[in-house]
Amino acid sequence: DADVTQTPRNRITKTGKRIMLECSQTKGHDRMYWYRQDPGLGLRLIYYSFDVKDINKGEISDGYSVSRQAQAKFSLSLESAIPNQTALYFCATSDPGLTAGELFFGEGSRLTVL
Amino acid sequence: AQSVTQLDSQVPVFEEAPVELRCNYSSSVSVYLFWYVQYPNQGLQLLLKYLSGSTLVKGINGFEAEFNKSQTSFHLRKPSVHISDTAEYFCAVLYNFNKFYFGSGTKLNVKP
Repeated sequence: DADVTQTPRNRITKTGKRIMLECSQTKGHDRMYWYRQDPGLGLRLIYYSFDVKDINKGEISDGYSVSRQAQAKFSLSLESAIPNQTALYFCATSDPGLTAGELFFGEGSRLTVL
Repeated sequence: AQSVTQLDSQVPVFEEAPVELRCNYSSSVSVYLFWYVQYPNQGLQLLLKYLSGSTLVKGINGFEAEFNKSQTSFHLRKPSVHISDTAEYFCAVLYNFNKFYFGSGTKLNVKP
């Protein structure tokens, strides 16, 4: 089983719908992240959390919200999806003390907003 | 703001030829440097990382990278590529131990 699991892997939805992407991890890491990947733009940070009570905005947080339900779970929500949120979304974890901050990624959630 | 620049969006190369993928970053403060690879329809996985010590870092699948502080560069190299190396490669920089910045990616296309 994957250490970082994202669900769903693929989702097609319509403009205005609420969408939740879920991430769970078995690595025991405190730090979790949500990134968005668009062709030619690399990965951009949406939100990150350094522990259960810590939530921080990244560079492109507008239109998104997150919830850290437990150390192992970090969900990304789109309250009212719009077409330019069509992208590949990645969850990642890290533990600076153990692996010097290396990011461990899930396999991605591809979201299409029509 | 910090930035990471990958100068080549696409690099075509023939099998068994050498390849270099370039990466430059904006800051001269202490940083950790990473290269990640993304195979089609997969997540990103670590190729190699520079934390400290020797400026030449060896990674998986025969890749290596050289940290050049004066040039603020961390170029990725492989002396002989295989078809299976076809993927997208991302350079990433960790600033202040808590913020990653990614380059825009380089697609390596290895031709037979």
